[in-house]
Amino acid sequence: GESVGLHLPTLSVQEGDNSIINCAYSNSASDYFIWYKQESGKGPQFIIDIRSNMDKRQGQRVTVLLNKTVKHLSLQIAATQPGDSAVYFCAENNAGNMLTFGGGTRLMVKP
Amino acid sequence: ETGVTQSPTHLIKTRGQQVTLRCSSQSGHNTVSWYQQALGQGPQFIFQYYREEENGRGNFPPRFSGLQFPNYSSELNVNALELDDSALYLCASSLEAGVDYEQYFGPGTRLTVT
Repeated sequence: GESVGLHLPTLSVQEGDNSIINCAYSNSASDYFIWYKQESGKGPQFIIDIRSNMDKRQGQRVTVLLNKTVKHLSLQIAATQPGDSAVYFCAENNAGNMLTFGGGTRLMVKP
Repeated sequence: ETGVTQSPTHLIKTRGQQVTLRCSSQSGHNTVSWYQQALGQGPQFIFQYYREEENGRGNFPPRFSGLQFPNYSSELNVNALELDDSALYLCASSLEAGVDYEQYFGPGTRLTVT
């Protein structure tokens, strides 16, 4: 079936650098995407979302880019901090608010 | 904290047994979704309950069943447990069932089947 997936399973960055986490999706009809952060022992936490009528959306230190032509999403984190260390998932929000998650990328921030 | 609680935190069961996991929604939320997260993978949608009725189901067998109560808390029941059922089970509540409503996740129940 349709699924959302990620390119890189682990990303290691230096504190203060920018991080970029990528995600590919296969369902061209998808129109709503969400990035989640999951820390150890916790459930996923909403970071930022984007709809298909946009190609960029910014939050506090985070930016999501959507390229519908190649069905690709990215999450950019500016000035990465130790507290950003976690697993990041992109998810497709289907009708009825049923989420389809990708496999996740572990972000490790080196001090 | 999201205000969504789950119990128990951890559980160990034997293959073939049955298990019930519980979820208490955030106040005022009428929709609960359940997800299974195997180690090292993303959560997989099991089903959703809206106002006490099942509102959608993922690719899980009938031995996964659920219930939502009038106070909108919810249970996930799994019969005839298999080793592959070992996972973190997450519930998420939202104000309504539509795509415009953010889902708030609980911390999960870690189920180990031996």
